[in-house]
Amino acid sequence: GEDVEQSLFLSVREGDSSVINCTYTDSSSTYLYWYKQEPGAGLQLLTYIFSNMDMKQDQRLTVLLNKKDKHLSLRIADTQTGDSAIYFCAAKAAGNKLTFGGGTRVLVKP
Amino acid sequence: SAVISQKPSRDICQRGTSLTIQCQVDSQVTMMFWYRQQPGQSLTLIATANQGSEATYESGFVIDKFPISRPNLTFSTLTVSNMSPEDSSIYLCSVEDLSAVDGAFFGQGTRLTVV
Repeated sequence: GEDVEQSLFLSVREGDSSVINCTYTDSSSTYLYWYKQEPGAGLQLLTYIFSNMDMKQDQRLTVLLNKKDKHLSLRIADTQTGDSAIYFCAAKAAGNKLTFGGGTRVLVKP
Repeated sequence: SAVISQKPSRDICQRGTSLTIQCQVDSQVTMMFWYRQQPGQSLTLIATANQGSEATYESGFVIDKFPISRPNLTFSTLTVSNMSPEDSSIYLCSVEDLSAVDGAFFGQGTRLTVV
């Protein structure tokens, strides 16, 4: 089955850019997603990318997809303290099921 | 995007009892799912709630422990039966409309503590 991996932790200064990385194993994954989870909350869908795209930009968010290496990244420009949260990447493959990575905890320091 | 209401938002339950969690969506959706998020962990899919038929369970999850109902296209329930402390987790309802490409949306979750 699909396996999705992320680094555990990222610390960044307010105003800098954050880059969160994710790898997946199933080359037939059709969509890849980024979710944000704040303490005590559910998951908020941030953005997604279709597997035939290399890049998608949405305001401060930029998603890069290297399908050959099965590598996905999320860049947050001008990181703010409100961006402190856990970020999950997820891959959709056969059966429309989502497989989630372990989550990356992002800490934004003032 | 769909608006998902999940109840209760949190509960503390005695071991051996059962809790039913409700998920209500403001529009008809194709797919409804139930996930578990154990403390400090990622999300694990419990089952797909099928409208008008039995849920489809993932490996490691069984109907006797996690009975699921989905009587229509906007509502589902998950019951956590005969609870033990190991069932302490966040349980999340998720919905997806296959006619849209923007992915699955999640409710706020139910934080369950079993004592």
